[in-house]
Amino acid sequence: NAGVTQTPKFRILKIGQSMTLQCTQDMNHNYMYWYRQDPGMGLKLIYYSVGAGITDKGEVPNGYNVSRSTTEDFPLRLELAAPSQTSVYFCASSPSDYGYTFGSGTRLTVV
Amino acid sequence: GIQVEQSPPDLILQEGANSTLRCNFSDSVNNLQWFHQNPWGQLINLFYIPSGTKQNGRLSATTVATERYSLLYISSSQTTDSGVYFCAVAYGGSQGNLIFGKGTKLSVKP
Repeated sequence: NAGVTQTPKFRILKIGQSMTLQCTQDMNHNYMYWYRQDPGMGLKLIYYSVGAGITDKGEVPNGYNVSRSTTEDFPLRLELAAPSQTSVYFCASSPSDYGYTFGSGTRLTVV
Repeated sequence: GIQVEQSPPDLILQEGANSTLRCNFSDSVNNLQWFHQNPWGQLINLFYIPSGTKQNGRLSATTVATERYSLLYISSSQTTDSGVYFCAVAYGGSQGNLIFGKGTKLSVKP
C-alpha cells in the first residue's frame, strides 16, 4: 500500500519553462489536494478535487492548472514558471473532508 | 477571509515535559484539524476536531467552537514529537478548503 506518491522529489526549472507534478493515490479516496509550503509558513491550498472530473480553486491557484480524469491521479501543471513558484509542493488525499494522507513533497526551485 | 493564529510560534521542551499549543480562529468553522510535520517534512493528520475533545495516546485536543479556539496537549514529550504543529480550519460551504496557521515549532531535547 503506497499511499500518496509524488514525483519528482526535486526539480530545478528555468523561468518560463513548464512542468507537471505527478500525484497518485491507491486508497480510492475521493478528495485530492495540492498545497504549496513556503519557508516558515503553513500550507496554502492551490487546487482541490472532490472526485473524478471535478476540480476547484483554493487560495493560490494563479499560475497553475489541474485535471482529475481518474480517481487515482491528480497532476498539477505549472505553465511559464516564475521565481515566486519556488516552494515545496504537497499532494494529499482523503476519503472525505478529513483523514488526510500526504505525499512526501516536491521541492521546486525556479531560477 | 478567516484568520488562524497559533501560539507560541516556537517551543523548546525537555524530554518528559508537558505542553499546550493554542489555535485561535476569527470566524465560525465547520472543520478543524491538527497536523504534525516532522523535521524531514512529512505531514501527518493528528486530529479532526471541529468541537469537543479527543485523545490519542499522549496527545489530546480540545476545541471550544463558541469561543473560537482549539488546544493541542502533548504529555510526557519525546524527541520524536519534535517538528511543526499546524492547525487548519474550513468554514461555510468550503469544507475542503483548509486554511492553515503558521504553526508552532516544537523542539524536544533529550
